[in-house]
Amino acid sequence: GAGVSQSPSNKVTEKGKDVELRCDPISGHTALYWYRQSLGQGLEFLIYFQGNSAPDKSGLPSDRFSAERTGGSVSTLTIQRTQQEDSAVYLCASSLVRWGYTFGSGTRLTVV
Amino acid sequence: AQKITQTQPGMFVQEKEAVTLDCTYDTSDPSYGLFWYKQPSSGEMIFLIYQGSYDQQNATEGRYSLNFQKARKSANLVISASHLGDSAMYFCAMREGMLYQFYFGTGTSLTVIP
Repeated sequence: GAGVSQSPSNKVTEKGKDVELRCDPISGHTALYWYRQSLGQGLEFLIYFQGNSAPDKSGLPSDRFSAERTGGSVSTLTIQRTQQEDSAVYLCASSLVRWGYTFGSGTRLTVV
Repeated sequence: AQKITQTQPGMFVQEKEAVTLDCTYDTSDPSYGLFWYKQPSSGEMIFLIYQGSYDQQNATEGRYSLNFQKARKSANLVISASHLGDSAMYFCAMREGMLYQFYFGTGTSLTVIP
């Protein structure tokens, strides 16, 4: 596709359930990022994938959060045992050059 | 200390007028990049403009310009001739050196009034 695609666009889940958020980056982009945007807050870095290198997971807030990137393309962010504080918009971005980020439209996660 | 500070949570501007959105940053790295993103209600983050720390000229992209004052560590976004479609959240961001992580401000909500 022409842009970064994220699915689902909206997700409502019960506290304690696991969720998976998907990001399909722009074809050929080697770098992929996940950010979280809580209400009224700026963007919080979660994780970064670059090619076949080991991802930088330093931004993941707890061990309930994990992410994979298969075949250097699609990425899945998994949140286990969701909590209400996990409610946020989760944004994915990809880039080819150092500053050419393109963001997806995000997944709005609501934990009830 | 906050890496990026946006002190204007909300701004209003009359259609066709210019508006300045403030951004200050904090870094000790001599090499950094400053970015502005627009986030409409659809949620997507749209890249607007980039300024490198070594750039001599202020960046411009169409109706967007970046008022870069290095000594003051400010990188204000100026939107000329506002359109109704400019109503959105605007985020200032920074990357330091060769690092890949962005630091984002909390954003400014801009409303363009007809």
